[in-house]
Amino acid sequence: RKEVEQDPGPFNVPEGATVAFNCTYSNSASQSFFWYRQDCRKEPKLLMSVYSSGNEDGRFTAQLNRASQYISLLIRDSKLSDSATYLCVVDNAGNMLTFGGGTRLMVKP
Amino acid sequence: ETGVTQSPTHLIKTRGQQVTLRCSSQSGHNTVSWYQQALGQGPQFIFQYYREEENGRGNFPPRFSGLQFPNYSSELNVNALELDDSALYLCASRQDRATDTQYFGPGTRLTVL
Repeated sequence: RKEVEQDPGPFNVPEGATVAFNCTYSNSASQSFFWYRQDCRKEPKLLMSVYSSGNEDGRFTAQLNRASQYISLLIRDSKLSDSATYLCVVDNAGNMLTFGGGTRLMVKP
Repeated sequence: ETGVTQSPTHLIKTRGQQVTLRCSSQSGHNTVSWYQQALGQGPQFIFQYYREEENGRGNFPPRFSGLQFPNYSSELNVNALELDDSALYLCASRQDRATDTQYFGPGTRLTVL
């Protein structure tokens, strides 16, 4: 079983739609959680950290459920520029990031 | 953009050869991590260097080795290249090993024929 699991997609949505991605992680001792965005053939870029209380950054909302070991990302009012791969990331001990396989999002006009 | 640079951008090697990839970390960052990203997969942690010493290693064989220099730049060396080593190699730096946020370089795309 992979340490961080995501649905690979692709999620094909129209502009303006709301889309949600989920991710599960296996290590209950995991300490920090993130969503990264990766455009085709580019490096991953930090989208947002994920906190237990949930956090929002504009159209993006991230939630963490430690009991279920589950992380989510909600994107409201999707834009064409949101098309990318979204990587769920867990930091277990401050030494290494463990990435999920990524979920591909395609926003269509 | 992130201040992390990598060289070369692309590289083609043949099986059995050796390769050295380079990374310059963001100014003031003393911790560098290396990741391998195969096509269609998420990045996988190779190892991390903190103040010139290896500070954590993922599930990679010993033919993957590294160095960090006094200016905190870093090298990844891979010996006896295999076809499966074809991937994007990413370097990420952070201010200190206790800091959460890592900044990734643009990567080196390695093709092994």
